[in-house]
Amino acid sequence: KQEVTQIPAALSVPEGENLVLNCSFTDSAIYNLQWFRQDPGKGLTSLLLIQSSQREQTSGRLNASLDKSSGRSTLYIAASQPGDSATYLCAVRTEEGGFKTIFGAGTRLFVKA
Amino acid sequence: ETGVTQSPTHLIKTRGQQVTLRCSSQSGHNTVSWYQQALGQGPQFIFQYYREEENGRGNFPPRFSGLQFPNYSSELNVNALELDDSALYLCASSLDQGNNEQFFGPGTRLTVL
Repeated sequence: KQEVTQIPAALSVPEGENLVLNCSFTDSAIYNLQWFRQDPGKGLTSLLLIQSSQREQTSGRLNASLDKSSGRSTLYIAASQPGDSATYLCAVRTEEGGFKTIFGAGTRLFVKA
Repeated sequence: ETGVTQSPTHLIKTRGQQVTLRCSSQSGHNTVSWYQQALGQGPQFIFQYYREEENGRGNFPPRFSGLQFPNYSSELNVNALELDDSALYLCASSLDQGNNEQFFGPGTRLTVL
């Protein structure tokens, strides 16, 4: 059974710092891994999608890596800003007894001005 | 091109009642997934519809059911509401059932009293 874990659960950093969020999953048989951002009470905003055959994806200050064999992904945020404060979620898409998407519990990020 | 929309925004029901939530997928997307997100947790996968057929289901009882229409919009129906059904319900659409990026709507906040 696929399980997704995100560490740390919460993180507080000063503005300008580079930071890394971690996501691990237990079964390497995935279609893809997607990182999202969620502001309080809102829907999810897609940040980056990494296909199972890819190693990394970049968008602006964000870089996501995927190591399927070890069941790990990282989201690197460069030069953090107060506007980056949100909950960051990772999700894996699998075909485990039918299509499923499994989310981690998220990392709550607070960037101090 | 319009994004994913959901209705209603908020809903209050009492225990034992039935509820229907609606989702319009992004233009051209034939796959819709539904999620339940309790406060402070990651979204939990309910089910996925691809071209009007359910092709994936999470650990939710049969009183959670759905439909997808020929225009790929979708409904989530919940019968015999329980207090624990209070949550943010999210839908996401994607182009095809496996490899593609999921785009989320803003959610419906359901409160069961």
